[in-house]
Amino acid sequence: AAGVIQSPRHLIKEKRETATLKCYPIPRHDTVYWYQQGPGQDPQFLISFYEKMQSDKGSIPDRFSAQQFSDYHSELNMSSLELGDSALYFCASSLGGRWSDTQYFGPGTRLTVL
Amino acid sequence: GEDVEQSLFLSVREGDSSVINCTYTDSSSTYLYWYKQEPGAGLQLLTYIFSNMDMKQDQRLTVLLNKKDKHLSLRIADTQTGDSAIYFCADGVDTGRRALTFGSGTRLQVQP
Repeated sequence: AAGVIQSPRHLIKEKRETATLKCYPIPRHDTVYWYQQGPGQDPQFLISFYEKMQSDKGSIPDRFSAQQFSDYHSELNMSSLELGDSALYFCASSLGGRWSDTQYFGPGTRLTVL
Repeated sequence: GEDVEQSLFLSVREGDSSVINCTYTDSSSTYLYWYKQEPGAGLQLLTYIFSNMDMKQDQRLTVLLNKKDKHLSLRIADTQTGDSAIYFCADGVDTGRRALTFGSGTRLQVQP
């Protein structure tokens, strides 16, 4: 079965640079969520989109922005990168956009900021 | 806000049963999930339980929910070395939010 695809899998950036992470949800899923998992930490919710509209916002820094496109894929744009942004970024998708819909996670993008 | 807590580490011998515990604070929690994360990998959904259930069994996995005490457990029968991973519980709250709140994760180590 098709799963959530994230690209790139690994990314190395310097401080103050920008990064773009991409997420391709499971086919027919209309909701995308972004989570950040710091080293040794639990995943923290950043932002979600349902039917191309932002549906919920968590602890996403103002330096980050995201959107969901017409084909339902999503991109997380990160600017003025800081060392503390080094983390594993997960995308999850679900069908229906309700809080109770099961979220399926992608393999994550590991971002390292030097 | 809600808080989800887990013990950090559990070590068992291969073939034994493992019990991973989780407590949550928000009484509105309606769906509770268990995810497995292997080193360097994503989060794999193992199972979930709805709050009107006390127990759910799925092959080697048994989930027990004590809603009064806000306590959730995951029992893995006949634990194998391939079960070694970090196990996260997560709750979904019926307030219209669409995000999960995760516990800190329990690292399960299975010794041969």
